[in-house]
Amino acid sequence: EDQVTQSPEALRLQEGESSSLNCSYTVSGLRGLFWYRQDPGKGPEFLFTLYSAGEEKEKERLKATLTKKESFLHITAPKPEDSATYLCAVDGQNFVFGPGTRLSVLP
Amino acid sequence: DAGVIQSPRHEVTEMGQEVTLRCKPISGHNSLFWYRQTMMRGLELLIYFNNNVPIDDSGMPEDRFSAKMPNASFSTLKIQPSEPRDSAVYFCASSRDSYNSPLHFGNGTRLTVT
Repeated sequence: EDQVTQSPEALRLQEGESSSLNCSYTVSGLRGLFWYRQDPGKGPEFLFTLYSAGEEKEKERLKATLTKKESFLHITAPKPEDSATYLCAVDGQNFVFGPGTRLSVLP
Repeated sequence: DAGVIQSPRHEVTEMGQEVTLRCKPISGHNSLFWYRQTMMRGLELLIYFNNNVPIDDSGMPEDRFSAKMPNASFSTLKIQPSEPRDSAVYFCASSRDSYNSPLHFGNGTRLTVT
């Protein structure tokens, strides 16, 4: 059965303090790994899709990377508006969302 | 593009009552998904339609839950009778081509069953 875990569960950063979020997965035949951002009271918003190990995608202060077992979402010099829950999801035998990481960026 | 539209945004009902949640997907998208989100279980897929046909309903918790998609621009999720454990945020999402393209989520319906 496909499984996805994310760490840490919650992360507090000072504005400008770079860090990384982890998404670890166990999947039979990965067809894609997705990152979403969810703000309170809203639905998840798509950020990136990664398809193969070694692939990287960037958007503003965010960079997503993928290995055969995990993906990282690197946040460089975050701002308070980056505060949100970040979800990863894998498309394997099933499509499964991870539990998310709640990121708070303090000014 | 108005995005995925869900109604109502909030629903409070008493145990035993029927609840109907509504969703209008993005025009041109051929796949529609209903998800439920709780603190304990996160985002769970309830049912997935492709070209208005239910493809995977294995996530529908029990017979009290039913979903329909009578046409490409409308879907409903019905709970009858509702129970307190059904309290959650229910999201509808659509995509151009199943899981091969990104899911676009609505802002959800927060359901409270007392």
